[in-house]
Amino acid sequence: ETGVTQSPTHLIKTRGQQVTLRCSSQSGHNTVSWYQQALGQGPQFIFQYYREEENGRGNFPPRFSGLQFPNYSSELNVNALELDDSALYLCASSLDSGSEQFFGPGTRLTVL
Amino acid sequence: KNQVEQSPQSLIILEGKNCTLQCNYTVSPFSNLRWYKQDTGRGPVSLTIMTFSENTKSNGRYTATLDADTKQSSLHITASQLSDSASYICVVSAANSGYALNFGKGTSLLVTP
Repeated sequence: ETGVTQSPTHLIKTRGQQVTLRCSSQSGHNTVSWYQQALGQGPQFIFQYYREEENGRGNFPPRFSGLQFPNYSSELNVNALELDDSALYLCASSLDSGSEQFFGPGTRLTVL
Repeated sequence: KNQVEQSPQSLIILEGKNCTLQCNYTVSPFSNLRWYKQDTGRGPVSLTIMTFSENTKSNGRYTATLDADTKQSSLHITASQLSDSASYICVVSAANSGYALNFGKGTSLLVTP
């Protein structure tokens, strides 16, 4: 176990709805990165938060947004859900940006 | 085009046999290369990490090699066990981008009795 936790484990939403996924980082880690992993694919980088600020972003539209809290836990929000948003969403925490990332178990999102 | 390519896409081997997974990358400038094991529906777990100066690293029955000149890496699994059935992902970091990890699509390994 990496000490990174995510909630919920599974989630089913319908097209157009909004969703919030949560991640608790490993103790002592101030950086959280979020990834989207479609079935049979490698994870795709969404964004990273370092000390409560967005530190970098991948090729995802603005309807993917995030937050990091003073305790370094993080949220991923997705608005106007589309069918293609169905995926495993992974968060990873690290000591700082660029350090080894430790992954949580993921949240499986299904959009119907 | 993906900067990290893995082969084969999938592999089936008998329990007790050895296997080798391949990873080719074009990420530059190179910082480090990691191999992760990902069980179905779970997060990836790090197996090995290698920097430019390292050409081999072992973790139990897993041995990774790196040839930074040809930009190739391999992961060798010895005496496979049923619990080795998983996806193995090669991840390469660029030296000029601390947060961006470049993931391969993974090799899906099935170990059968």
